[in-house]
Amino acid sequence: DSGVTQTPKHLITATGQRVTLRCSPRSGDLSVYWYQQSLDQGLQFLIQYYNGEERAKGNILERFSAQQFPDLHSELNLSSLELGDSALYFCASSVEAPGQIISGAVWYGYTFGSGTRLTVV
Amino acid sequence: GESVGLHLPTLSVQEGDNSIINCAYSNSASDYFIWYKQESGKGPQFIIDIRSNMDKRQGQRVTVLLNKTVKHLSLQIAATQPGDSAVYFCAENSNTGKLIFGQGTTLQVKP
Repeated sequence: DSGVTQTPKHLITATGQRVTLRCSPRSGDLSVYWYQQSLDQGLQFLIQYYNGEERAKGNILERFSAQQFPDLHSELNLSSLELGDSALYFCASSVEAPGQIISGAVWYGYTFGSGTRLTVV
Repeated sequence: GESVGLHLPTLSVQEGDNSIINCAYSNSASDYFIWYKQESGKGPQFIIDIRSNMDKRQGQRVTVLLNKTVKHLSLQIAATQPGDSAVYFCAENSNTGKLIFGQGTTLQVKP
């Protein structure tokens, strides 16, 4: 168990629908990142939140949105779903914005959750 | 734009042999690199990291080599085991606030 919790693990929905994916970061982590992984594809960065505020945006569609709540959990909302949105969606968390000193060394790494597999039919 | 790429999409090795997975990066400003392992149905797991002021770092059965001159990163796995079968990603950080991941290399270990 990485400490990052994602729910649900699997989701099957129809085109045109809207879904919400949830992520609880590792205890103490302030940053949450969302990544999309399609079949045979690498990890595509979608968006980052830090302590409740949007910090960075990647290749996130306008149909997608996210937020981070005061308790630091995050939700990724996907609307007007299309077949091509079928993918694994990963959440990752890190202790801080990049550059924080951990045990005397700078730590930039992320801890990933086990992902939500979304299937749009 | 920034990119991190892997040279080989699939690597097949015999159990017990050493494995070498390569990665090229394009951003010379990147100062931190990580290798992740992703097993089927799971999220990426941290394996080892290296900072740009180092050329080599060793972990348990794994070694990462960094060649800044040619912007090349490699992951060496000693005495490869069936449990090492997975997709391996390299990732770089260039102080932009996010890690940039390569496409991934599938490592297949033959018994």
